[in-house]
Amino acid sequence: DTEVTQTPKHLVMGMTNKKSLKCEQHMGHRAMYWYKQKAKKPPELMFVYSYEKLSINESVPSRFSPECPNSSLLNLHLHALQPEDSALYLCASSQPVAGGQFFGPGTRLTVL
Amino acid sequence: GQQVMQIPQYQHVQEGEDFTTYCNSSTTLSNIQWYKQRPGGHPVFLIQLVKSGEVKKQKRLTFQFGEAKKNSSLHITATQTTDVGTYFCAREYGNKLVFGAGTILRVKS
Repeated sequence: DTEVTQTPKHLVMGMTNKKSLKCEQHMGHRAMYWYKQKAKKPPELMFVYSYEKLSINESVPSRFSPECPNSSLLNLHLHALQPEDSALYLCASSQPVAGGQFFGPGTRLTVL
Repeated sequence: GQQVMQIPQYQHVQEGEDFTTYCNSSTTLSNIQWYKQRPGGHPVFLIQLVKSGEVKKQKRLTFQFGEAKKNSSLHITATQTTDVGTYFCAREYGNKLVFGAGTILRVKS
């Protein structure tokens, strides 16, 4: 399996909602990433997990809470988001001493 | 500091014409990666260059890494409509990947 899967594909939520984004990979990669991508912009790194431990948090607001339950799964818990958080959220995985990251299809999030 | 500058921002070419995008850094890069993102899609890893002066080919795509390891280029020969999308270079340090702004390629048939 050479795929990174993400659910849901689309999500619309209000500013008071709590929701979670899910990511899964079965390539045996031990590094997993969350990125945020706005339209016509490059992906921006949010979090990095290496061997299931959070290794990088790019000063992301606490309304975004990552979780890595095991080496194949990565979640992003969302709470009290703002309309400006609307974006494509991409998950990626790689071997820790990389050589390229494999991206999932993303979750397109709209915050009303 | 850690940014990579990518030019041009946009390129419209006639099908069959060549296309090149350039990536430049003010500091020496340990490696450079290239990704392609189709409209409505997600970034797809194309290649990683590590060695000074390295040149790699994938069919009609040619990737180069400068001798000083401060610049890189992606050249597409005889573009096809399937080449449309945004091409990103990205520098890696530690576990971080920092993307250039990307070059949007449109191909007129």
